[in-house]
Amino acid sequence: IAGITQAPTSQILAAGRRMTLRCTQDMRHNAMYWYRQDLGLGLRLIHYSNTAGTTGKGEVPDGYSVSRANTDDFPLTLASAVPSQTSVYFCASSDSGTGGSPLHFGNGTRLTVT
Amino acid sequence: GQNIDQPTEMTATEGAIVQINCTYQTSGFNGLFWYQQHAGEAPTFLSYNVLDGLEEKGRFSSFLSRSKGYSYLLLKELQMKDSASYLCAVRDGDYKLSFGAGTTVTVRA
Repeated sequence: IAGITQAPTSQILAAGRRMTLRCTQDMRHNAMYWYRQDLGLGLRLIHYSNTAGTTGKGEVPDGYSVSRANTDDFPLTLASAVPSQTSVYFCASSDSGTGGSPLHFGNGTRLTVT
Repeated sequence: GQNIDQPTEMTATEGAIVQINCTYQTSGFNGLFWYQQHAGEAPTFLSYNVLDGLEEKGRFSSFLSRSKGYSYLLLKELQMKDSASYLCAVRDGDYKLSFGAGTTVTVRA
């Protein structure tokens, strides 16, 4: 079944540790996104990529980095985790970043930083 | 940043109609989306508006007024399975999609 796969599903991480959240899509979508979702704040954009080889900063990029080496994969790295990064992280993709192309979301990664 | 406002919670009875309002102020506008999100699950796409007016999709309709920075999602013939959060999202002039905090709809029997 075509879609977006995120891994891990959940993770408990000690503060200061490095962590990479994985995201893979098989829909050949050009654009990919990382959002975090926190109670009362909704989904906030961390980083995005409009096409392989390019990335951009969203609303809350500090403490996170991304790469887009190919069309399918868009990993999110926390270089040194802090408790404020405890959140649910959603990866999403869209056919293009423009017009009515909707975002398709993965099932999310629940991250707890202790 | 973007400013997207929607009510936090709404409650309605099974079979009734509920209207979820969304107001926005963004830098440029390239469309407005509504998503549904059940607890513990990923958001799923419901509707898209880029021109003024009403878009109808079965029991769900979405309305847009660009001049007023206003949209609503109308849920008709409510069913228990419609209990979820409904997210308003706006694609800005740079084509980035920003979300409101979501409206939790509870459907009572």
